[in-house]
Amino acid sequence: GDSVTQMEGPVTLSEEAFLTINCTYTATGYPSLFWYVQYPGEGLQLLLKATKADDKGSNKGFEATYRKETTSFHLEKGSVQVSDSAVYFCALGSGTNAGKSTFGDGTTLTVKP
Amino acid sequence: DTAVSQTPKYLVTQMGNDKSIKCEQNLGHDTMYWYKQDSKKFLKIMFSYNNKELIINETVPNRFSPKSPDKAHLNLHINSLELGDSAVYFCASSLGLVFNEQFFGPGTRLTVL
Repeated sequence: GDSVTQMEGPVTLSEEAFLTINCTYTATGYPSLFWYVQYPGEGLQLLLKATKADDKGSNKGFEATYRKETTSFHLEKGSVQVSDSAVYFCALGSGTNAGKSTFGDGTTLTVKP
Repeated sequence: DTAVSQTPKYLVTQMGNDKSIKCEQNLGHDTMYWYKQDSKKFLKIMFSYNNKELIINETVPNRFSPKSPDKAHLNLHINSLELGDSAVYFCASSLGLVFNEQFFGPGTRLTVL
């Protein structure tokens, strides 16, 4: 079945550091890939997405590229801010398993001033 | 206007009680979901409805019963609450079943004493 494996957390960085959160997946067919962010006390919200191989999703300085050959969708940001402290979830939406998105376990990021 | 809303935001109750959580979306989406998030932030899908029809029913105890009176509403009723039911419950919606990004509600924090 479909699965998503995310880099284990928690991750603690200093402000302006470079961020990478690894995400790999297994899926049948050609899934769409998503990164969601959950700020403290809130629900998840979409951060970025990519719907086909080699697509790059980007938003708020975050980027991730859909790599079919390595089945990966790593999240990166060049310079993190304290306000980026949150839990980040990698997810896939599979066309062959309609109605079910598969989420990773989440990675907690804390950015210190 | 709130896209996906849930009530109540907090719910504290005794073991053995029955409680309901309501969810409404004003996005015109066809598909709605219930998720359970535990204290470690792991997110687990419970149910998925498409046009008021149950699509996904993960291995959830029979004490949990979803009801979708129309496309815009998906409520969750829980009978005979147990300590292990304590969690944050999220409602979400998406345009359709396939690939689509999900929009999450703010969550309902359920505490069973």
